[in-house]
Amino acid sequence: KAGVTQTPRYLIKTRGQQVTLSCSPISGHRSVSWYQQTPGQGLQFLFEYFSETQRNKGNFPGRFSGRQFSNSRSEMNVSTLELGDSALYLCASGPELEDEQFFGPGTRLTVL
Amino acid sequence: AQSVSQHNHHVILSEAASLELGCNYSYGGTVNLFWYVQYPGQHLQLLLKYFSGDPLVKGIKGFEAEFIKSKFSFNLRKPSVQWSDTAEYFCAVNRPLDTDKLIFGTGTRLQVFP
Repeated sequence: KAGVTQTPRYLIKTRGQQVTLSCSPISGHRSVSWYQQTPGQGLQFLFEYFSETQRNKGNFPGRFSGRQFSNSRSEMNVSTLELGDSALYLCASGPELEDEQFFGPGTRLTVL
Repeated sequence: AQSVSQHNHHVILSEAASLELGCNYSYGGTVNLFWYVQYPGQHLQLLLKYFSGDPLVKGIKGFEAEFIKSKFSFNLRKPSVQWSDTAEYFCAVNRPLDTDKLIFGTGTRLQVFP
């Protein structure tokens, strides 16, 4: 089975712009979660989707949003980018909500 | 606040030394526990997990972890580390009956010197 794929792998944006990141889960997986990884804060949970519904949301401002499509693919959007949004954004998928999650390689976002 | 603590932020060992990385969580009730590893330049991989049953869990690459419910701990161990174990290690917890999100510790950076 192919693993979790994330596109793009690298992205450079400037402050004030918006960005959309994409995640394709492992085939058959219905749960998709997003995480932000930074050197200072470590890994932080952003949100989780299951069957096109947002199940949980982490402690991030409303500029961060996401959605899941009927084929379980997910996108996350960050509007009005700030310098502090520079991070590695990780997507993870699992068969069901309580199952082990499999991580993708991440999208490295740099905000200038 | 609910949290996962990894007290060792940076560990330096020589090859063949024994390893124990601490992980404590602050949730009560049923939890699922995970250890993930991130090798330099690679993405997160699952080392081992505990859902129920035998509290001593064997994972990949010779790693094991012991769930001690009374201590809210899930420490990671390896009897003899190798240079290739150099990586960042993350402990994570979720509460399947309450919320399904994974909460991660801040990670422990392990450096193994030959």
